[in-house]
Amino acid sequence: TQLLEQSPQFLSIQEGENLTVYCNSSSVFSSLQWYRQEPGEGPVLLVTVVTGGEVKKLKRLTFQFGDARKDSSLHITAAQPGDTGLYLCAADLNAGNMLTFGGGTRLMVKP
Amino acid sequence: NAGVTQTPKFQVLKTGQSMTLQCAQDMNHNSMYWYRQDPGMGLRLIYYSASEGTTDKGEVPNGYNVSRLNKREFSLRLESAAPSQTSVYFCASRRGQETQYFGPGTRLLVL
Repeated sequence: TQLLEQSPQFLSIQEGENLTVYCNSSSVFSSLQWYRQEPGEGPVLLVTVVTGGEVKKLKRLTFQFGDARKDSSLHITAAQPGDTGLYLCAADLNAGNMLTFGGGTRLMVKP
Repeated sequence: NAGVTQTPKFQVLKTGQSMTLQCAQDMNHNSMYWYRQDPGMGLRLIYYSASEGTTDKGEVPNGYNVSRLNKREFSLRLESAAPSQTSVYFCASRRGQETQYFGPGTRLLVL
């Protein structure tokens, strides 16, 4: 069992649709990060959330950190083919040097 | 400023062979990491180095050794490769709890 559970594992949608990806744990996070990874490349950081209840927006992407700092969601509005990729959440569980990653959500947006 | 670089990009080994994966960063980061990525498993930490001269085990260290050669370089060695070590290996670096930057990955196939 992974410490960070992401759902869904796979998502295939049409251009223009909305979607939400979830990242859940039974542990409390000191901070949580969302990454996007394209084929053949390393993950690239999208956002870091640190405060319970925090909401951050990055163009069509909205990130929310749960009040108890145990879960997070990523909502994409009007998805585009360029949003296709693997979305990973990662958490600093004890404010240390180590990040723990979720299993990822593979998103495909069809034109 | 090249960021995080990894060599080689691809490697095919026979069971029992050894090899060293190289990683270097030019961002003057203290912390460096080695991950492996397998389908549906996200990224799992193999070893990390919080600072020059120190290394610590991560989630899946068995079958691997590391060397923090200096502040810039962190190498990962497979002494006797096994098919279970077929994976994509990512090196990353970070300053404190700031953004973690990833290299482009090394794709390893062990036959």
